[in-house]
Amino acid sequence: GEDVEQSLFLSVREGDSSVINCTYTDSSSTYLYWYKQEPGAGLQLLTYIFSNMDMKQDQRLTVLLNKKDKHLSLRIADTQTGDSAIYFCAEIPSGNTPLVFGKGTRLSVIA
Amino acid sequence: DVKVTQSSRYLVKRTGEKVFLECVQDMDHENMFWYRQDPGLGLRLIYFSYDVKMKEKGDIPEGYSVSREKKERFSLILESASTNQTSMYLCASSSGTRGTQYFGPGTRLLVL
Repeated sequence: GEDVEQSLFLSVREGDSSVINCTYTDSSSTYLYWYKQEPGAGLQLLTYIFSNMDMKQDQRLTVLLNKKDKHLSLRIADTQTGDSAIYFCAEIPSGNTPLVFGKGTRLSVIA
Repeated sequence: DVKVTQSSRYLVKRTGEKVFLECVQDMDHENMFWYRQDPGLGLRLIYFSYDVKMKEKGDIPEGYSVSREKKERFSLILESASTNQTSMYLCASSSGTRGTQYFGPGTRLLVL
């Protein structure tokens, strides 16, 4: 079945780069997403990548996709305290099915 | 901008009460979803709907029902609330078969 795996915690120092990793199982996934959840709030779409791309960059965010290994990563450059949040990886499996989410990675930024 | 609103941010109910959680989206999206979020378990899909009056069970539908009488509104119903339904409830909507999901701010429900 579909499964999306992420590590649960990551801690980085302010100004360093953060890399959040995700693995997924459905090789026919067409879109892969990163969502951010700040404390007490809903999920906010950060970025997404189409499966025919290897990389997507948006300001401080870089998404890398390795389709062979079914591995997705989100790099945040110059991490700030405002980046502290839970980051969810998600895929749309084949067919007309809802998003499948990972359990989320809690990023803590130390000043 | 897509806007998904949920009727309450915080709700306190007693065991056995019937609870209604309302979700409204303003972007004419066909698809709507209800999730619950618990620490260490991530998001779990309760029910979803691809059209008015249609509903599909998600991964954890037991103890819940839904109603979609109008395209913009998707209601989650707890027929008889129990303490293990204390959770954060998130609603989302999307368009098309593989559209991006947009989330509401969540309702934090406490069942005493």
